[in-house]
Amino acid sequence: EAGVAQSPRYKIIEKRQSVAFWCNPISGHATLYWYQQILGQGPKLLIQFQNNGVVDDSQLPKDRFSAERLKGVDSTLKIQPAKLEDSAVYLCASSPGDGNSPLHFGNGTRLTVT
Amino acid sequence: QQQVKQSPQSLIVQKGGISIINCAYENTAFDYFPWYQQFPGKGPALLIAIRPDVSEKKEGRFTISFNKSAKQFSLHIMDSQPGDSATYFCAARGLYNNNDMRFGAGTRLTVKP
Repeated sequence: EAGVAQSPRYKIIEKRQSVAFWCNPISGHATLYWYQQILGQGPKLLIQFQNNGVVDDSQLPKDRFSAERLKGVDSTLKIQPAKLEDSAVYLCASSPGDGNSPLHFGNGTRLTVT
Repeated sequence: QQQVKQSPQSLIVQKGGISIINCAYENTAFDYFPWYQQFPGKGPALLIAIRPDVSEKKEGRFTISFNKSAKQFSLHIMDSQPGDSATYFCAARGLYNNNDMRFGAGTRLTVKP
């Protein structure tokens, strides 16, 4: 079983620039999550999709962050404009969708905002 | 917003020793408690999980101890090996609510040969 794929692995941008991250979940997984992991902290949920619908985006800074999962498969997370405090690893995770299955994480995208 | 407190922040153990990581939670609605292991440059991976109807769960060298009344749970790694060196996260959520998962801040474990 192929794992969760994320790209790019690393991204360095200047503040106020925009950036996009891509995630391809495990085949057949209905639920997709984006987490933000700041250095020295545990992952924090940004947004959860069930197929192509948003289940929870209560912790997504909607003034600068957006995410979509148009066809219910892969997903894109965008930051525009980036701030210094957005420097973090952005993790994508997926699960089959029954709410009880473990999360499968990708290796993340490390974002540095200078 | 932190609802799961994890300690210690870092831990150094000799090979063959026992590693113990502790977590405490606040929300009594939590009823699923996983532990994740994360190696540098990798995403977290589920290690072991427990539900509050049991006080202990063991899988190989890894054991979760759970104290529902104290709202605490811990991970014990027996016969720790250098390959166990990683960051460990405890987490908690409602039984069917993956979107409500709360992670601890993590413990960086180093096992010295």
